[in-house]
Amino acid sequence: KQEVTQIPAALSVPEGENLVLNCSFTDSAIYNLQWFRQDPGKGLTSLLLIQSSQREQTSGRLNASLDKSSGRSTLYIAASQPGDSATYLCAVGAQKLVFGQGTRLTINP
Amino acid sequence: EAGVAQSPRYKIIEKRQSVAFWCNPISGHATLYWYQQILGQGPKLLIQFQNNGVVDDSQLPKDRFSAERLKGVDSTLKIQPAKLEDSAVYLCASSLTDGVMGYTFGSGTRLTVV
Repeated sequence: KQEVTQIPAALSVPEGENLVLNCSFTDSAIYNLQWFRQDPGKGLTSLLLIQSSQREQTSGRLNASLDKSSGRSTLYIAASQPGDSATYLCAVGAQKLVFGQGTRLTINP
Repeated sequence: EAGVAQSPRYKIIEKRQSVAFWCNPISGHATLYWYQQILGQGPKLLIQFQNNGVVDDSQLPKDRFSAERLKGVDSTLKIQPAKLEDSAVYLCASSLTDGVMGYTFGSGTRLTVV
């Protein structure tokens, strides 16, 4: 049974810092790995999708990497801004997604 | 492109009452999902439809939850009778058939059972 863990559960940093969010999964036979953003009271917004044959994806200030052999993914956020404050969730799978519990990120002005 | 529509946005009911949620997926998306997100946790898949057929309902508490997707488009999720532990956000999502290009989630329905 696939299990996904995200560390830390919460993170608070000053504006402008670069930061890394971590995601680990137990079954390396994954299809896709996705990073989502969730704002309070809102649904999930897909940020980056890494297919199993890929090792990383980049979008603007965001970079996600995937290491299937170690069962890990990281989401790197460069030059953080207060607008980046949200909960970040990683999920593995293709159709059926298994989610981590999320990292609640706060960027302080 | 219109997103995934869900209603209502919020619902408060007493335990043992019944409630229904509605979802309209993105046009052309064959696959529709209902997820349950309890406060502080990641979403958990309840049921997956491919067109109007059920693909996976292994985590759906079938003694109280039911879902249908008539004509392969809109879907409803029903809880009867509700329990306190059903308090959560119910998220609907849709994707093209294979999910490779990712999901689109709706804004969710926040259910509070008192």
